[in-house]
Amino acid sequence: ILNVEQSPQSLHVQEGDSTNFTCSFPSSNFYALHWYRWETAKSPEALFVMTLNGDEKKKGRISATLNTKEGYSYLYIKGSQPEDSATYLCAFATDSWGKLQFGAGTQVVVTP
Amino acid sequence: GAGVSQSPSNKVTEKGKDVELRCDPISGHTALYWYRQSLGQGLEFLIYFQGNSAPDKSGLPSDRFSAERTGGSVSTLTIQRTQQEDSAVYLCASSSASGRYTQYFGPGTRLTVL
Repeated sequence: ILNVEQSPQSLHVQEGDSTNFTCSFPSSNFYALHWYRWETAKSPEALFVMTLNGDEKKKGRISATLNTKEGYSYLYIKGSQPEDSATYLCAFATDSWGKLQFGAGTQVVVTP
Repeated sequence: GAGVSQSPSNKVTEKGKDVELRCDPISGHTALYWYRQSLGQGLEFLIYFQGNSAPDKSGLPSDRFSAERTGGSVSTLTIQRTQQEDSAVYLCASSSASGRYTQYFGPGTRLTVL
């Protein structure tokens, strides 16, 4: 059974501060790494799909990096806003079928 | 355009009854996935469709669970003789291809088994 681990489990951030958190995954059989944002009572929203070692992706104030050799990805939020409050999920794919193994998520709470 | 839709949004049933959950993927998406999130747990893969075929059913937790997809579009997840441990949010996602392509999720069906 593959293990995708995310840390921390939760974090509280002051509005305007930047933050980052980690997704760890097995470095073998890597195919793709997905990041999603899931707000309460909404559908998970896709942020990034990362496939190459060294990939860096950016969407507004959110960015992510990928290290497939050591098996980790970081997600960064710059200048956090209350609307960034959500659970951030990473998910690991080992083959082209796209079956995703999800981490438990990092819950981010941004307070004004 | 329209996203992934799921119905019903909420379902309360009695233990032992059968339930059907429906997923309408984004038009033209060939790949369709079912996941579920039980209370306190992460998202768990159930089954994957490519077209109407299900090459990966490895996540179905028991033989009470089955799924089908017709016309390369709508999918139905059926749970027979529901048990309390089946209570969860069931999410459907679709993708234009698979693996390295974004999966677009529906809003989910919250199933409660009394």
